[in-house]
Amino acid sequence: AQSVTQPDIHITVSEGASLELRCNYSYGATPYLFWYVQSPGQGLQLLLKYFSGDTLVQGIKGFEAEFKRSQSSFNLRKPSVHWSDAAEYFCAVGASDAGNMLTFGGGTRLMVKP
Amino acid sequence: DTGVSQNPRHKITKRGQNVTFRCDPISEHNRLYWYRQTLGQGPEFLTYFQNEAQLEKSRLLSDRFSAERPKGSFSTLEIQRTEQGDSAMYLCASSGQWGLKDAQYFGPGTRLTVL
Repeated sequence: AQSVTQPDIHITVSEGASLELRCNYSYGATPYLFWYVQSPGQGLQLLLKYFSGDTLVQGIKGFEAEFKRSQSSFNLRKPSVHWSDAAEYFCAVGASDAGNMLTFGGGTRLMVKP
Repeated sequence: DTGVSQNPRHKITKRGQNVTFRCDPISEHNRLYWYRQTLGQGPEFLTYFQNEAQLEKSRLLSDRFSAERPKGSFSTLEIQRTEQGDSAMYLCASSGQWGLKDAQYFGPGTRLTVL
């Protein structure tokens, strides 16, 4: 069975600083990997996805993520954080042999200091 | 493309009552998913439809939970004899025909409170 771990429950960064959110997954085959963002009272918005090809993927809002098979990781990065990036971020792994279900990590809450 | 819509957005009910939620997917999407999200947790997969066929339902939380998608368009999720532990956000998502290569797009959710 697949699983996702997001080791950091809370992260606080200063506006303009760089950001890296960690995600580790467990899945026996080549994973489908996703990052979603959830703002208070809002639904989940897809930031980016990976399923094959270039291991560095670009997403919306200036985010990128790098797939590292050897480390079973898919960390999310942004070079310069804006106050509007404050939200909860979820990493997810998809399993095509399990009803296309997404398994989500517990999330990382990002706070941005002015 | 108006996105995935869910109704109602909020539902307060008393323990033991039945509740039904509706999800309208993105119009060209043939796959529809239900998830549950409790406070401080990531979403948890419940069930999945491809067109009108429910292809995965083993993760529905109990036999009190059921879902339908009768014409392959909108879907309903029903919870019978609600319990306080059912209080959560219920999320619906839809995707296109290419499975996981088509990302799942989520609706705003229905927040259920069971008193």
